[in-house]
Amino acid sequence: AQKITQTQPGMFVQEKEAVTLDCTYDTSDPSYGLFWYKQPSSGEMIFLIYQGSYDQQNATEGRYSLNFQKARKSANLVISASQLGDSAMYFCAMRVLSNTGNQFYFGTGTSLTVIP
Amino acid sequence: DGGITQSPKYLFRKEGQNVTLSCEQNLNHDAMYWYRQDPGQGLRLIYYSQIVNDFQKGDIAEGYSVSREKKESFPLTVTSAQKNPTAFYLCASSRSWTANTEAFFGQGTRLTVV
Repeated sequence: AQKITQTQPGMFVQEKEAVTLDCTYDTSDPSYGLFWYKQPSSGEMIFLIYQGSYDQQNATEGRYSLNFQKARKSANLVISASQLGDSAMYFCAMRVLSNTGNQFYFGTGTSLTVIP
Repeated sequence: DGGITQSPKYLFRKEGQNVTLSCEQNLNHDAMYWYRQDPGQGLRLIYYSQIVNDFQKGDIAEGYSVSREKKESFPLTVTSAQKNPTAFYLCASSRSWTANTEAFFGQGTRLTVV
């Protein structure tokens, strides 16, 4: 069974500090993709970063980096130099290619609040 | 500009009525998805479609129906059989048959039963 787990319902971080949002996943498929999305209060889902299961290096996109530890099945999001605009819900997702298609599996999300 | 358009943004429904939420994409994506999000919770899959004229039930399909007559369009009908339809609904699309491309989301429709 495919599963994404985010164990931090809420997180606080001081402005300009770094923060790590945890994500663990479970799949027996060797080929999968891991994604992080940001959802501000407006409700839109904004794609942040992607990591492939065969990628040797951790993905980075500006202030976002993905700490991918395959043996531990974890894909934590690191946000450096937090800004007030980073306050939002963050969702980890996994996509697995199967014979019935390739739907996305989402975690329950982490609410991040950046404190001035 | 390419993207996904959901309409309406807000929708009010009386109990016992069916309503249809629109989702249109011009990204030429084969796969499309409908998710439901309740306050403070994650996304739950209602239906998804990998190709025109084909769709699969997700985790919470009861009380919902979809159609996929055109590649660009994947409307969701919330029927009167859905006991608690008040929620935020998100439509998404992606390239199909690959695990390495992200889903693109619409702006969402907030449905309220009055």
